[in-house]
Amino acid sequence: EVQLVESGGGLVQPGGSLRLSCAASGFTFSSYAMNWVRQAPGKGLEWVSGIGAGGGSTYYADSVKGRFTISRDNSKNTLYLQMNSLRAEDTAVYYCAKVDAAFGLDPWGQGTLVAVSS
Amino acid sequence: SYELAQPPSVSVSPGQTARITCSGDALPKKYAYWYQQKSGQAPVLVIYEDSKRPSGIPETFSGSSSGTMATLTISGAQVEDEADYYCYSTDSSGNLWVFGGGTKLTVL
Repeated sequence: EVQLVESGGGLVQPGGSLRLSCAASGFTFSSYAMNWVRQAPGKGLEWVSGIGAGGGSTYYADSVKGRFTISRDNSKNTLYLQMNSLRAEDTAVYYCAKVDAAFGLDPWGQGTLVAVSS
Repeated sequence: SYELAQPPSVSVSPGQTARITCSGDALPKKYAYWYQQKSGQAPVLVIYEDSKRPSGIPETFSGSSSGTMATLTISGAQVEDEADYYCYSTDSSGNLWVFGGGTKLTVL
């Protein structure tokens, strides 16, 4: 069974940093691209960032470009999102999702909450 | 930037057919995907590549796409189908992925 488990969320002050992790199991992690998607409280889904299977290709939404860095460690089956210069508007549940060539984003983890507040 | 437009809400009575639309300029050439999100839960894929249904998704869910509009159809909608539904696709470059704003389906 494919499982994705996010961790690393929490409360951080504006301007601070946080690193999210997504532990993957049940599939050949190194063969699949991965994405991060977030959802602000009461709002819709927002695609944040994506990374190719080998880690060489990365993509970012304009809202996080230059502040967030996506990476992966295929030896540890883990996806990361380094978030710097955090703002109140980055407050959201962050989900990781496996990218399937046919299925799109499937499945998703249960998410981790990031709250940016003083 | 690229945008996908969805109606904010759709309401039907139990047993009726619910149709949720998603419009985007690149949809004639790019697939649409549909996700269901129930309150407090992670999104779940219900339709991929415009009209294909993953295993485990009821046959009451179907998808179609024509021109710049993709449509998710829920035939004989039930109370348990109440959820937020999001379309998802990419722009013409294939590098910018976006979600529609989401549609809240109410069945009552």
